[in-house]
Amino acid sequence: GESVGLHLPTLSVQEGDNSIINCAYSNSASDYFIWYKQESGKGPQFIIDIRSNMDKRQGQRVTVLLNKTVKHLSLQIAATQPGDSAVYFCAETAGNNRKLIWGLGTSLAVNP
Amino acid sequence: DTEVTQTPKHLVMGMTNKKSLKCEQHMGHRAMYWYKQKAKKPPELMFVYSYEKLSINESVPSRFSPECPNSSLLNLHLHALQPEDSALYLCASSLMSTGELFFGEGSRLTVL
Repeated sequence: GESVGLHLPTLSVQEGDNSIINCAYSNSASDYFIWYKQESGKGPQFIIDIRSNMDKRQGQRVTVLLNKTVKHLSLQIAATQPGDSAVYFCAETAGNNRKLIWGLGTSLAVNP
Repeated sequence: DTEVTQTPKHLVMGMTNKKSLKCEQHMGHRAMYWYKQKAKKPPELMFVYSYEKLSINESVPSRFSPECPNSSLLNLHLHALQPEDSALYLCASSLMSTGELFFGEGSRLTVL
């Protein structure tokens, strides 16, 4: 599940390693999932999305995996770079609902 | 042009002041959003405009007053704010048929 409290979960990786960021989503009716990246002092930036009729989708250096059985979403970043350092949020929505439900976020720190 | 532009980037105001935050997009998106984000937290939805009409108000206090003058512009009028309203205010837009939100860089508001 997601961490609660004042501190963001933090993942620290070495440059060049692969990163896996996990997210447990809350609504079994959710059918659309998005990963956002938020760098310090900036707004969230779309990374990749996936619909519930898929279990895997790949982008450039990123892969999203969806496990509907356990309501789990993950973001894999290949060959992590310093520029990947940011907070990563998962978000879910159901149907035509315009309201995204956001996860608490994970802070990714990439060590050179 | 794939940008959402927000002004001002920083705003400091007293509790008796009236100020406005502005947001502009020229992507032809017909849904526009205001979010509030506290440090180390995910964005919280405040308002959604769809085709220039207010479609979602997440029980936001009346000291925040949104306005959508046309399909490209979104304002947030601020009056009699409290110090706890200090936060990053994010504007976003989306095509009606997709869930991907395009965010601006945000306006950092400090209420003294």
